[in-house]
Amino acid sequence: DVKVTQSSRYLVKRTGEKVFLECVQDMDHENMFWYRQDPGLGLRLIYFSYDVKMKEKGDIPEGYSVSREKKERFSLILESASTNQTSMYLCASSSGTRDPRGNTIYFGEGSWLTVV
Amino acid sequence: AQKVTQAQTEISVVEKEDVTLDCVYETRDTTYYLFWYKQPPSGELVFLIRRNSFDEQNEISGRYSWNFQKSTSSFNFTITASQVVDSAVYFCALSEAGDDKIIFGKGTRLHILP
Repeated sequence: DVKVTQSSRYLVKRTGEKVFLECVQDMDHENMFWYRQDPGLGLRLIYFSYDVKMKEKGDIPEGYSVSREKKERFSLILESASTNQTSMYLCASSSGTRDPRGNTIYFGEGSWLTVV
Repeated sequence: AQKVTQAQTEISVVEKEDVTLDCVYETRDTTYYLFWYKQPPSGELVFLIRRNSFDEQNEISGRYSWNFQKSTSSFNFTITASQVVDSAVYFCALSEAGDDKIIFGKGTRLHILP
């Protein structure tokens, strides 16, 4: 079974703090994603990485950065947390469209971040 | 541009009723994949099914069934004899061939009432 593990389930941070959300996958997947989920807005893609050290902006990258130094690990960084970044953050991974079985994305349990 | 629409924001049914969740998609590609995910209250999105655009056969898995119709660009999900454990948010998603990103609908929150 695919396992995507997010390091923190619940976090409370102060405005202006630098926040790291870590994610690890154990399936040797090429692609990793960070999504944000808010009521009424569904899942919105923040950043996407298709290889080590490679990244691509998603729909809402402002205020976020990412790091992928190793294939299995993808970190989301909030440089200076703000209250409007209070949300549920979901990490995911996939084998990509090169997989003949199709590009299925697998999710972690989510990290609930509150910025006060 | 690709798009996924789940017009039903929230549905409530009484346990044992059948319920259908609608999903309509837009894509210019002829090769694409469609997905359904379940998100229970615990928060993790659970993969339920993937279909490719060349396979229009309906699929049944226990109480779950999926109806894929290219003519109407729909990929609807039916739960038969619903149970309280089916209460969750359900997401439909689309991925075009050659694009590693997956686009999600906004989800349908399903309440199964005892």
